[in-house]
Amino acid sequence: EVRLVESGGGSVQPGGSLRLSCEASGFTFSAYEMTWVRQLPGKGLEWISYITGDSTTKTYADSVRGRFTIFRDNAKNSLYLQMNSLRVEDTALYYCARDVAAPGLYFDSWGQGTLVSVSS
Amino acid sequence: EIVLTQSPATLSLSPGERASLSCRASQSVRTSLAWYQQKPGQAPRLLIFEASNRATGIPPRFSGSGSGTDFTLTISNLEPEDLAVYYCQHRGSWPITFGQGTRLEIK
Repeated sequence: EVRLVESGGGSVQPGGSLRLSCEASGFTFSAYEMTWVRQLPGKGLEWISYITGDSTTKTYADSVRGRFTIFRDNAKNSLYLQMNSLRVEDTALYYCARDVAAPGLYFDSWGQGTLVSVSS
Repeated sequence: EIVLTQSPATLSLSPGERASLSCRASQSVRTSLAWYQQKPGQAPRLLIFEASNRATGIPPRFSGSGSGTDFTLTISNLEPEDLAVYYCQHRGSWPITFGQGTRLEIK
């Protein structure tokens, strides 16, 4: 069974940092592209970052580029999102998602999310 | 950035009826479009990818159609468990974007 479990969310002041983790199991993690998607409270979905299986390609939404960094450790079956210079508008539920094998950039498995709250 | 506009915002139908949800793209995405279902308190679930392909385990009551800029998700024979918000998403170009969602209510 494919399983994705996020952790690392919490409350932080504007300008602060958090590192989110996503532990994967039930599939060959290194073979899959992975993505972070967030959902603002009571709102829709926003794609924020993508990484290939070998980490050679990383892509970011304009809203987080330069502040957030996506990376992965295939030996640990884990995906990460380092979030710096956090803003109030980054408050959201953050999901990690697995891209379908072919074609990519659709998301066939999702974690349950980890909540990030940015406020003073 | 490609903007996806979904309509209607809310759809209220009875069990057994058919729902038609629309997603319109601000420019062509060919068939690079997916549909997701998000039930209350749950993560999204992939229903349809590449406009018309059902994801693994999705019943044939769910079907997708369209290409270019106009897409439709059709749910036949509605069941109470279909209560959810439905989102479209494109992969035609960066950045990937989602529509704002259609809320499906079951009377």
